Amino acid sequence: SQKIEQNSEALNIQEGKTATLTCNYTNYSPAYLQWYRQDPGRGPVFLLLIRENEKEKRKERLKVTFDTTLKQSLFHITASQPADSATYLCALDIEYGGATNKLIFGTGTLLAVQP
Amino acid sequence: NAGVMQNPRHLVRRRGQEARLRCSPMKGHSHVYWYRQLPEEGLKFMVYLQKENIIDESGMPKERFSAEFPKEGPSILRIQQVVRGDSAAYFCASSPGQGTTNEKLFFGSGTQLSVL
Repeated sequence: SQKIEQNSEALNIQEGKTATLTCNYTNYSPAYLQWYRQDPGRGPVFLLLIRENEKEKRKERLKVTFDTTLKQSLFHITASQPADSATYLCALDIEYGGATNKLIFGTGTLLAVQP
Repeated sequence: NAGVMQNPRHLVRRRGQEARLRCSPMKGHSHVYWYRQLPEEGLKFMVYLQKENIIDESGMPKERFSAEFPKEGPSILRIQQVVRGDSAAYFCASSPGQGTTNEKLFFGSGTQLSVL
């Protein structure tokens, strides 16, 4: 079955530095991969989507890469701020080209940005 | 422009009681998904519905759990005869059902179910 792995340990970085989070998956070739942010007691919020034929996607201070050979996505936050502290979830579609939006999620990586 | 609305935010039930969780999708969205999140685990897909139809319920436990999305009103996730293992955060998400924006999910704030 499909499996997604994210850094299980929390990532602590200093304000202003770049945070890099990793998402690895096995046993599947998704059409696209997504990143969400989740704050305590809240639902996930969509951040970025990257398709299988895209190497990189940017949105403001966020950058996502997608290596379908390594089956890995990297999520970068540049010039990190304490407000970026949250859990970041990786998700991929499991019905390639299907009509549904059925996603499987990783367990997430907790990012803590210290002032 | 209200987002996905879930209620209640917190629900406490004793073992054997029924739990009803409600979800109103974003305006204009016709597709609803339910996910469950256990402590230290990722979000697990449960069921995908469109108005009056269950499209995919492959993630639903075979017994005690049911879901509906009627023509009028919110989607309901119903858990009968709850057990302690049902304690979790239940999230509802919606999508418009077409176009590229259909590829991302809009989540509600969730219902935290606690079974005593």
